[in-house]
Amino acid sequence: QKEVEQNSGPLSVPEGAIASLNCTYSDRGSQSFFWYRQYSGKSPELIMSIYSNGDKEDGRFTAQLNKASQYVSLLIRDSQPSDSATYLCAVRGSNDYKLSFGAGTTVTVRA
Amino acid sequence: GAVVSQHPSWVICKSGTSVKIECRSLDFQATTMFWYRQFPKQSLMLMATSNEGSKATYEQGVEKDKFLINHASLTLSTLTVTSAHPEDSSFYICSAYPGGSEAFFGQGTRLTVV
Repeated sequence: QKEVEQNSGPLSVPEGAIASLNCTYSDRGSQSFFWYRQYSGKSPELIMSIYSNGDKEDGRFTAQLNKASQYVSLLIRDSQPSDSATYLCAVRGSNDYKLSFGAGTTVTVRA
Repeated sequence: GAVVSQHPSWVICKSGTSVKIECRSLDFQATTMFWYRQFPKQSLMLMATSNEGSKATYEQGVEKDKFLINHASLTLSTLTVTSAHPEDSSFYICSAYPGGSEAFFGQGTRLTVV
């Protein structure tokens, strides 16, 4: 079983719609969870971090964490063509500082 | 925000030569730096973890004699790909971790071995 798994893509949504991305992780002791956006040929950039159960909102982005279910999600509201990218879920393990990344979900926002 | 500078952003080298990639934290000290490799359409794969002044810890399957990592100061880590071959062509990304929650990524280095 992979440490971090993301829902398979690609995901295509119309402009203005909500894009929903899901991620599950295997290390029950994990405490830190991150969503990165990566444009083609570029390095990942952090868009959200979440550490406690519940929702965290930042602009058009909402991260949701449920540690009991070992599940973290990202919602992108009012999707824009500039949101078209690959979104990586990353989890910091309980025993060290390493980040484990999911395979990524590619999102395409159709104008 | 914290800035990590990675250099060069791209490099083309001949098979059998060595290439050095630098990763610098510009406005903070990084107790730990991570090196990742990313092949096309794949996720980031951790290659090694380095702490200042000590030997790097390599992930399973990563050849430590081929990928030399030096973390000589709290602001600089280098990755040297020795005797590069075409299969080493990839996108190499460093990440600097100052402690706390967030790690900061460099811009990445596109290595092409011909």
